[in-house]
Amino acid sequence: AQSVTQPDIHITVSEGASLELRCNYSYGATPYLFWYVQSPGQGLQLLLKYFSGDTLVQGIKGFEAEFKRSQSSFNLRKPSVHWSDAAEYFCAVGSSGGSYIPTFGRGTSLIVHP
Amino acid sequence: DGGITQSPKYLFRKEGQNVTLSCEQNLNHDAMYWYRQDPGQGLRLIYYSQIVNDFQKGDIAEGYSVSREKKESFPLTVTSAQKNPTAFYLCASKMRGSTDTQYFGPGTRLTVL
Repeated sequence: AQSVTQPDIHITVSEGASLELRCNYSYGATPYLFWYVQSPGQGLQLLLKYFSGDTLVQGIKGFEAEFKRSQSSFNLRKPSVHWSDAAEYFCAVGSSGGSYIPTFGRGTSLIVHP
Repeated sequence: DGGITQSPKYLFRKEGQNVTLSCEQNLNHDAMYWYRQDPGQGLRLIYYSQIVNDFQKGDIAEGYSVSREKKESFPLTVTSAQKNPTAFYLCASKMRGSTDTQYFGPGTRLTVL
């Protein structure tokens, strides 16, 4: 069965600092990986996704993520955080067969200090 | 504009009452999903549907029911059998291919009084 672990429940950074949110997955085949962002009381918005090819994926809002098969990781990064990036971030792994239902991590809450 | 709409945004219910949450999409997506979100627990799948007139239980289907009479619509009923229904409910849709992205609605917050 596929699973996703986001080890950090909360992350606090100062505005302008760099950010890395961790995501580890468990999946038997090549995973399809996603990062979503959720503002309070809102739905989820896709930041980026990885299916194949270049392991460094660029997304919206200046985010990027790197797929590392050897570490079963898909960490999300941003070089300089803005106060508007404060939100909940979810990593998800999609299945390649059957019902294609993605599995979500529990989320990481990003707090940005001015 | 294409997208997913959920209504209402906020819903209040008395204990013992059934309530139906609406989800509509105009993205021409085949598959639709309902998730429940509680603080610190991420998204848990309630029901999903891959095609019209067919749906499957997710991880936490007890106390919920759905229908899929039209491709665009996937309403969720929270029944009185659901012991702890207060939560944030998210609807999503996608094409059926494995590499396709799920798109989410804005959510409905249900509070049981």
